[in-house]
Amino acid sequence: NAGVTQTPKFQVLKTGQSMTLQCAQDMNHEYMSWYRQDPGMGLRLIHYSVGAGITDQGEVPNGYNVSRSTTEDFPLRLLSAAPSQTSVYFCASSPNPTSGSFTDTQYFGPGTRLTVL
Amino acid sequence: KQEVTQIPAALSVPEGENLVLNCSFTDSAIYNLQWFRQDPGKGLTSLLLIQSSQREQTSGRLNASLDKSSGRSTLYIAASQPGDSATYLCAALRNNNDMRFGAGTRLTVKP
Repeated sequence: NAGVTQTPKFQVLKTGQSMTLQCAQDMNHEYMSWYRQDPGMGLRLIHYSVGAGITDQGEVPNGYNVSRSTTEDFPLRLLSAAPSQTSVYFCASSPNPTSGSFTDTQYFGPGTRLTVL
Repeated sequence: KQEVTQIPAALSVPEGENLVLNCSFTDSAIYNLQWFRQDPGKGLTSLLLIQSSQREQTSGRLNASLDKSSGRSTLYIAASQPGDSATYLCAALRNNNDMRFGAGTRLTVKP
């Protein structure tokens, strides 16, 4: 299994540009999520999905859109990039974090480092 | 609103020392608490997961405890090694699929 993959690894955008960060997992996990990591602030949840066709907002959803058309893919869209969105973005997946299984840890991708000028 | 705090922000110890990392959370209505390791420029790797009904979990030289009533979790690392140098993050999962992370403790183990 490749696990959780993210593309691109690095991206530089100009203010106002749009782009999509890709995330895919091959573990047939129901739950997928997007986080951003900023210095000194830990990770903050942007959006999450508990299954295909179902998405919900996390702690910091403004400026980001998501969709979940398949179990495997969970892209994150920035419609109009702003300098405040400069961050490292992580995608994660797990079978289902509230299913009660002791093995329901989250698996993280390697991250996408985004700079908005 | 769930707030997760980790103290200290950075820690430097000599090789072989036992150490404790602390994590506190304000909302005791959590489903589970996880400890992660993050190496520079890398993603997160899950170390230990403690369900809300559990008190502790152990894996090798690592032991994590959970006290929901006091809103605290600790990660104990025995006989530290230079390879343990990394940032350690704790995360509390609430029942609505919302996971809140602490800012992490950056650990350096000196040979």
